[in-house]
Amino acid sequence: EIVMTQSPVNLSVSPGERVTISCRASQPIGGNLAWYQQKPGQAPRFLLSGSSKRGTGVPDRFSVSGFGTEFSLTISSLQSEDVAVYFCQQFNNLMYTFGQGTKLEI
Amino acid sequence: DVQMVQSGAEVKKPGEPLKISCKISGDSFTNYWIGWARQLPGKGLEWMGMIYPGNSDTRYRPSFEGQVTISADTSTKTAYLQWTSLKASDTAIYFCARPGGYSYGFPLDKWGQGTLVTVSS
Repeated sequence: EIVMTQSPVNLSVSPGERVTISCRASQPIGGNLAWYQQKPGQAPRFLLSGSSKRGTGVPDRFSVSGFGTEFSLTISSLQSEDVAVYFCQQFNNLMYTFGQGTKLEI
Repeated sequence: DVQMVQSGAEVKKPGEPLKISCKISGDSFTNYWIGWARQLPGKGLEWMGMIYPGNSDTRYRPSFEGQVTISADTSTKTAYLQWTSLKASDTAIYFCARPGGYSYGFPLDKWGQGTLVTVSS
């Protein structure tokens, strides 16, 4: 099983600041990584993938980078509506695995 | 637009059976893998397994093999997740989700709204 490890687990940032969340895979996965945003009481929402595919309506302030085992999600200027838990997920094989999540607060 | 609508919340007793559903509308059902994820209270996401309705090929995460059954009905475009005997530890929110392409190698860009399953005596 490919283990996905996110850091940090909790993050408190001021509005307008730049945010970076990291995700590490236990083995190489190429660009087969996705990021999701989950707000309380809602289903996860697809944001971006390692190939820079963008989910519907995802603002440009969200971007991704990385390949192989090291990845990151960046929010260029944090907005209040970005408060959520963020998950990374590998889809390199059928046994998808998720990171443990990063809780982003203002 | 693709919609994935799950069945409503369930409250069950330990040992009872349960089958929850995920109905797809607005797109092909047989050409996409569809799977289930579990979210324990206040925790992260675990992928349980997935099915390809076109040929009923079904794959389970090892920790869920034998614990649940994933199935699909192509006539109603509905996927199912079922238990024969629930445990208190099955209490969680269950999401159906679908990769955005004709194989498993795509992000999960469509999600159901989630079904809360509560198992308590």
